[in-house]
Amino acid sequence: AQKITQTQPGMFVQEKEAVTLDCTYDTSDPSYGLFWYKQPSSGEMIFLIYQGSYDQQNATEGRYSLNFQKARKSANLVISASQLGDSAMYFCAMRSGAGSYQLTFGKGTKLSVIP
Amino acid sequence: EPEVTQTPSHQVTQMGQEVILRCVPISNHLYFYWYRQILGQKVEFLVSFYNNEISEKSEIFDDQFSVERPDGSNFTLKIRSTKLEDSAMYFCASSEEFSGGNIQYFGAGTRLSVL
Repeated sequence: AQKITQTQPGMFVQEKEAVTLDCTYDTSDPSYGLFWYKQPSSGEMIFLIYQGSYDQQNATEGRYSLNFQKARKSANLVISASQLGDSAMYFCAMRSGAGSYQLTFGKGTKLSVIP
Repeated sequence: EPEVTQTPSHQVTQMGQEVILRCVPISNHLYFYWYRQILGQKVEFLVSFYNNEISEKSEIFDDQFSVERPDGSNFTLKIRSTKLEDSAMYFCASSEEFSGGNIQYFGAGTRLSVL
């Protein structure tokens, strides 16, 4: 069975600082994908970044990067130069299993950016 | 930028009534999904739909749920006889043919309140 664990229910970061949100995963499938989504207080789910299990390099998208450590089964999200608008819930998710596209989500981390 | 559109944003219904939640996926996407998020909990997969049929469904997606793509642009989720525990945020998502991770883009959600 697939499982995503986010152990930080809440995190605080000073504006302009970097922050790392933790995510560990469990799957027996060699082919999988890892995703991060942002959910602001307004409720929508916004795709941030994707990492494939066979990708050699860590994914980056602007201020977001994914620290992918395959042996440790971790896929931490790093947000650089935090902004007030980064305050939101952040969900790690995984797709795995041949022919399966469903996403399994973690419980999320609530990030608060302090001015 | 193309986006997934969901209507209504909030639906209030009486227990036992039928509701239909509507979604317009991104126009060139071929895979469609419904997820739900009970307040304060993680996002859960309900069903995926491809080529006019269900491709995967979770154990949550029982006989009271059904999905349909009635006209080539809309994608609907019907809950036949709502229960109090169906109160949740329902998200529609869509993705392209599998490439680059099959990234799912979510709508803003419909908040369903069952009284």
